[in-house]
Amino acid sequence: QKEVEQNSGPLSVPEGAIASLNCTYSDRGSQSFFWYRQYSGKSPELIMFIYSNGDKEDGRFTAQLNKASQYVSLLIRDSQPSDSATYLCAVFNSGYALNFGKGTSLLVTP
Amino acid sequence: DTGVSQNPRHKITKRGQNVTFRCDPISEHNRLYWYRQTLGQGPEFLTYFQNEAQLEKSRLLSDRFSAERPKGSFSTLEIQRTEQGDSAMYLCASSPAGLTYNEQFFGPGTRLTVL
Repeated sequence: QKEVEQNSGPLSVPEGAIASLNCTYSDRGSQSFFWYRQYSGKSPELIMFIYSNGDKEDGRFTAQLNKASQYVSLLIRDSQPSDSATYLCAVFNSGYALNFGKGTSLLVTP
Repeated sequence: DTGVSQNPRHKITKRGQNVTFRCDPISEHNRLYWYRQTLGQGPEFLTYFQNEAQLEKSRLLSDRFSAERPKGSFSTLEIQRTEQGDSAMYLCASSPAGLTYNEQFFGPGTRLTVL
């Protein structure tokens, strides 16, 4: 079983702080890594993906990938209450499917 | 630019009934996926189409489930003889052809409640 693990949270951060979300995966052959944001009752929304070691920045979001340690993280700078949601980590191993973690709940408090 | 659309958005049915959901992918995307998500879990893969060909099916897709994509455009997912355990959000996603990293874009989902 190719596992994707996330801390379920909730992770609570004050408005304006940096939120750090982490994800580990078991399959060393994993090729690409995705972060989705999911508001309660809504569908997942793709916010970033990364496929090579290092950092990738997009606005307030930074994805970090370390294949040797098999983890991927998402940093959200200047967190806003509207960032409160569940963040799903997804991994593409092979074939066609994305393998999702259970998600981390983020709460940004004013 | 329209995203993935799904219909209906909500479906309530009685155990034993058949239900059918529809997904319209982003127009230039030839890859289409179905996932199922239950409360507190991430989406779980059900099946994948490339154009009209169904190329992969999960073990989750029991004999009561069938999916089609007859002309390589929209897709349908049918569940026969529904059970209470089928209650979930059914998500459709699509991705573009060509060399990509398999980034998938989800529709709004169909929430199924089986009474």
